[in-house]
Amino acid sequence: DQQVKQNSPSLSVQEGRISILNCDYTNSMFDYFLWYKKYPAEGPTFLISISSIKDKNEDGRFTVFLNKSAKHLSLHIVPSQPGDSAVYFCAASDPQGGSEKLVFGKGTKLTVNP
Amino acid sequence: DAGVTQSPTHLIKTRGQHVTLRCSPISGHKSVSWYQQVLGQGPQFIFQYYEKEERGRGNFPDRFSARQFPNYSSELNVNALLLGDSALYLCASSFGGYNEQFFGPGTRLTVL
Repeated sequence: DQQVKQNSPSLSVQEGRISILNCDYTNSMFDYFLWYKKYPAEGPTFLISISSIKDKNEDGRFTVFLNKSAKHLSLHIVPSQPGDSAVYFCAASDPQGGSEKLVFGKGTKLTVNP
Repeated sequence: DAGVTQSPTHLIKTRGQHVTLRCSPISGHKSVSWYQQVLGQGPQFIFQYYEKEERGRGNFPDRFSARQFPNYSSELNVNALLLGDSALYLCASSFGGYNEQFFGPGTRLTVL
């Protein structure tokens, strides 16, 4: 069962506009959420995170919003730049069992057109 | 500062063989986690080690094992390789007790 879902496999936006990437989750025990960016032939790069006790976290051009009641989070990139083109993964931290297990979605490929 | 390093970068094996993948965490990080990523999917959790103790194990068969050394580096071992083990194997490190994990570039394993 897919506990973290990214329902849009791809997204295309124009340079300078806003990119909005969405993520839904099913497990209410998840206590921390993260976004990673991945270029081909590289490992995922940490972007931004948010604790389950908050509803917004901002870092430069990146903002993550969390709606716990809807079990939904989103990543906003403003303004989008061609260098942002990559696959974006949503991940959730599962505290059960005492590990730091991250549960990932399947990713959304973002293309920012000049 | 050096990030997470993994070796080798690429590896080709045949079915039934075994493989050892290595990971060195970021300096000061005591936790190492291993993930498997197959094409079109997100990374899937295999193991986490903290201070040389196994903290968690994902839904992988016993053919997969790992260990962590006193210098916090780690090895992932896979025995009796199957075609389905072909994937990118990612190592991530963290301070332990913090949620942000930092990933290495991965080892691309191909099983023929």
